[in-house]
Amino acid sequence: DAGVIQSPRHEVTEMGQEVTLRCKPISGHNSLFWYRQTMMRGLELLIYFNNNVPIDDSGMPEDRFSAKMPNASFSTLKIQPSEPRDSAVYFCASSSRQGTNTEAFFGQGTRLTVV
Amino acid sequence: KQEVTQIPAALSVPEGENLVLNCSFTDSAIYNLQWFRQDPGKGLTSLLLIQSSQREQTSGRLNASLDKSSGRSTLYIAASQPGDSATYLCAGGGYNKLIFGAGTRLAVHP
Repeated sequence: DAGVIQSPRHEVTEMGQEVTLRCKPISGHNSLFWYRQTMMRGLELLIYFNNNVPIDDSGMPEDRFSAKMPNASFSTLKIQPSEPRDSAVYFCASSSRQGTNTEAFFGQGTRLTVV
Repeated sequence: KQEVTQIPAALSVPEGENLVLNCSFTDSAIYNLQWFRQDPGKGLTSLLLIQSSQREQTSGRLNASLDKSSGRSTLYIAASQPGDSATYLCAGGGYNKLIFGAGTRLAVHP
């Protein structure tokens, strides 16, 4: 398997623009996570899905952030409108829940810069 | 609420040393404990997963232990090499999510 695939790898956008980040989880995995990483706050869980259903979105910082998982092989994280403080690396991860074995695998991340 | 702490924040050692990285967590009701490696500008690579019923896991020169009663995990790196230089992150697994520590930045110099 190619692993978790994220696109784009880098995104530079102007404040106020809409940004959409994409993720393809590992085939067969039924849990998907979106994380944000910054120097100040480290890795923060934004939202996770189980079987395509959002389970916990308490980490989503504001209503400007939204995430969808229309099917088992695709998820998006959208920021509208974007702000400079959203600049960070956004990671997607997936896991296959089998009992307590929930080893998570991460994508390479999307480095977002909002100017 | 689960909180994960890693000590030390940074470590610089000469090649060949055996290392211990520490991770502590506040909620002992974790499902598992996972160690990751992150190289600069890269994603996270899973190193070891210890399930809650296990005490340790080994992979090559890496050994990770888990003590739920004390809320601690350690990552042992034997005979360190310059290629081991990276940030090491531990994450406590609750039901369906991982909570991360801030990481230990390791530099192994020749």
